[in-house]
Amino acid sequence: AQTVTQSQPEMSVQEAETVTLSCTYDTSESDYYLFWYKQPPSRQMILVIRQEAYKQQNATENRFSVNFQKAAKSFSLKISDSQLGDAAMYFCAYGSYAGGTSYGKLTFGQGTILTVHP
Amino acid sequence: KAGVTQTPRYLIKTRGQQVTLSCSPISGHRSVSWYQQTPGQGLQFLFEYFSETQRNKGNFPGRFSGRQFSNSRSEMNVSTLELGDSALYLCASSRGSGSPLHFGNGTRLTVT
Repeated sequence: AQTVTQSQPEMSVQEAETVTLSCTYDTSESDYYLFWYKQPPSRQMILVIRQEAYKQQNATENRFSVNFQKAAKSFSLKISDSQLGDAAMYFCAYGSYAGGTSYGKLTFGQGTILTVHP
Repeated sequence: KAGVTQTPRYLIKTRGQQVTLSCSPISGHRSVSWYQQTPGQGLQFLFEYFSETQRNKGNFPGRFSGRQFSNSRSEMNVSTLELGDSALYLCASSRGSGSPLHFGNGTRLTVT
């Protein structure tokens, strides 16, 4: 079974600064997806960024980028130029590719609460 | 385009009762997944439906069941509620393989 570990229960950052959230995972599969989701107080889970394991290039989405180290099974999220609206719980998640037939089952980490100070 | 809609948003039930939660996926999405979120256990996968068939099931007792209709809408049922079933239940939809999950706002279930 796959496991996802987020070792930082809480992190804080000053507005406009950069912060990195850590995530490690354990799997015996070679094909999979990794995600970062954000959950603000409104409760809705919002996709931040996605990484396919077969791609060596790190994914980026505007101010969000990942450092994907497949051999080390590490998948960290870097938020640049942090904004007050980035404050939320961030979840790292693993999804099996399983030949492309199943994508709805994700394994989530325990989450990291990010506080942004003005 | 309308997002994933979950109803109701809040629900209070008594131990021993049963409850049905509803999820309307994004138009065109055929996969619907359900998750339970609690402070202690975090986010746990319940089950996934694709084209009216259960494709995956998490490690939950048989009291938890679901179904998907021909229009992709899904319902989740919990029978004989226990206090430990109090949680945020999240529904997510996707087009299928290779596309990301889109989550609804969840249903907050409180069992007293």
